Amino acid sequence: AAGVIQSPRHLIKEKRETATLKCYPIPRHDTVYWYQQGPGQDPQFLISFYEKMQSDKGSIPDRFSAQQFSDYHSELNMSSLELGDSALYFCASSSGQGDNSPLHFGNGTRLTVT
Amino acid sequence: DAKTTQPPSMDCAEGRAANLPCNHSTISGNEYVYWYRQIHSQGPQYIIHGLKNNETNEMASLIITEDRKSSTLILPHATLRDTAVYYCIVLNFGNEKLTFGTGTRLTIIP
Repeated sequence: AAGVIQSPRHLIKEKRETATLKCYPIPRHDTVYWYQQGPGQDPQFLISFYEKMQSDKGSIPDRFSAQQFSDYHSELNMSSLELGDSALYFCASSSGQGDNSPLHFGNGTRLTVT
Repeated sequence: DAKTTQPPSMDCAEGRAANLPCNHSTISGNEYVYWYRQIHSQGPQYIIHGLKNNETNEMASLIITEDRKSSTLILPHATLRDTAVYYCIVLNFGNEKLTFGTGTRLTIIP
């Protein structure tokens, strides 16, 4: 079965650069979520989108922005990168709103800021 | 959402049943119990969920107490590939954002 696809798998950037992470949800899933997981930490929710509209917002820095496109894929844009942004970034997708369908996660993008 | 409490770590011998407890004493009547796991540096993986009845699928069984204040995830025949951090999360709906606590680090011992 098709899974959530994230690209790139690895990304190395320097401080103050920008990065764009992409997420392709499972077909027919209309909701995407972004999570950040620092070294030795649990995943932290950043932001989510339902039907191309922001549906919830967590601890996402102002330097980050995200959007969901008409084909339901999503991009996380990160500017003025800092060393502390080095982390695993996971995208998840689900279908519908207000039902019991679970989230399905991709295998993440590992961002290293030097 | 109700908070959950899990032991920080557990060991289990390969081939034995792994029983992972979770306390959720403040759970409300319309909240479900969901279990996810994260194998090292991979994306979290959905395992199972339930409301008040016991549930079983190809991965695991979920036993929820009658008062719904606690539950146990059972991996019937643990393998080395089951070594992971297991998260018990209480949600109104399955597709709400997940708030990960510290989970239980399960180590399967050969």
